Amino acid sequence: EDQVTQSPEALRLQEGESSSLNCSYTVSGLRGLFWYRQDPGKGPEFLFTLYSAGEEKEKERLKATLTKKESFLHITAPKPEDSATYLCAPGGGYNKLIFGAGTRLAVHP
Amino acid sequence: NAGVTQTPKFQVLKTGQSMTLQCAQDMNHNSMYWYRQDPGMGLRLIYYSASEGTTDKGEVPNGYNVSRLNKREFSLRLESAAPSQTSVYFCASGRGRGDSNQPQHFGDGTRLSIL
Repeated sequence: EDQVTQSPEALRLQEGESSSLNCSYTVSGLRGLFWYRQDPGKGPEFLFTLYSAGEEKEKERLKATLTKKESFLHITAPKPEDSATYLCAPGGGYNKLIFGAGTRLAVHP
Repeated sequence: NAGVTQTPKFQVLKTGQSMTLQCAQDMNHNSMYWYRQDPGMGLRLIYYSASEGTTDKGEVPNGYNVSRLNKREFSLRLESAAPSQTSVYFCASGRGRGDSNQPQHFGDGTRLSIL
């Protein structure tokens, strides 16, 4: 059965304190793995797509990486405006994005 | 640059009432989706439409119906609302015709409470 687990559920960082969020997945025939950011009261906002093991994508203070079983979202020197819930969603097969429950990130000044 | 627009943003219903959630996208996308998001759980797919004229069930379709009105619009209907359908509902659209290698783009949701 296809599964996605994100950890930790919640993470509190001081401004400038780098860390990583984990997305572990079991999906047959991975077609792409997507990262989203969701702010309170808003819909998920697309960040990255990763297609194959070893691939990396970067955007400002965020870098996403992919292995055959996990994806990491690395946050370097975060700022308070990076506070949000980060969602991971591997896609396996026809119209099948499987969303994790997310990691709630709080960055304090 | 609206993207995906959902109406209404908030709604309170009584058990047994019916209503339709509206969704429109202006990105000329082929596929459209309806999800629900509940606390502590990932987004779950209710129904999707890979292209104009087609609709298919997702993971949690019971109690819902959909209509792909045209390429831009995809509506979700609750025929007889139940308290278990209290949730936040998100509509999304994607460029592809259903292959899971394209990102989906989301609206800001409809917050639905059923008493």
